[in-house]
Amino acid sequence: GAGVSQTPSNKVTEKGKYVELRCDPISGHTALYWYRQSLGQGPEFLIYFQGTGAADDSGLPNDRFFAVRPEGSVSTLKIQRTERGDSAVYLCASSLGQGRALAGGISTDTQYFGPGTRLTVL
Amino acid sequence: KNEVEQSPQNLTAQEGEFITINCSYSVGISALHWLQQHPGGGIVSLFMLSSGKKKHGRLIATINIQEKHSSLHITASHPRDSAVYICAVSPKPNTGNQFYFGTGTSLTVIP
Repeated sequence: GAGVSQTPSNKVTEKGKYVELRCDPISGHTALYWYRQSLGQGPEFLIYFQGTGAADDSGLPNDRFFAVRPEGSVSTLKIQRTERGDSAVYLCASSLGQGRALAGGISTDTQYFGPGTRLTVL
Repeated sequence: KNEVEQSPQNLTAQEGEFITINCSYSVGISALHWLQQHPGGGIVSLFMLSSGKKKHGRLIATINIQEKHSSLHITASHPRDSAVYICAVSPKPNTGNQFYFGTGTSLTVIP
């Protein structure tokens, strides 16, 4: 079946511009996560949605970063006034959400990652 | 602070060697995950552990909850195993259902 998809796969922009990154989660997954991975580092948590609401946005680095998920499915990560330090791979993941168990013994804690969007700010 | 530490950071092995990657964590967890990331690719979940040991093909993952330590083993390593291996934990309590990630171990298997 279809996994998590992210668009675009690559985005090059100039310092100061606005960018939007899109994530399409697996159908039926209520939880959606955004992470950022800088070169040579592990992923860094940004924000987590349960349904339409941001359950935890404590990882957003500053108010230039904002994410929405208006219908509880597709999510958009928005970055205003981009800076060179924002250059990274932005990863999206989805999961079924807590409190539900899947067939085959997979826990709802399992997150499925998309391929990422590589953002380069020049 | 780093809730999750991995070692080694980089590892080069000859094809066929037995490989071990270690992960230590400092928080209470509900589960530990081993992830694989190929260059330019997305992250694939290999294992999710809360106790004991799991095996899938040539990969074995173990966890010791008392010692807050996990290991990922690769038997009969192959060049296609070359990737970054990331340890991540689901902290407990976990109101946000987020992960703490290690910085990864970059594995290169030489033919």
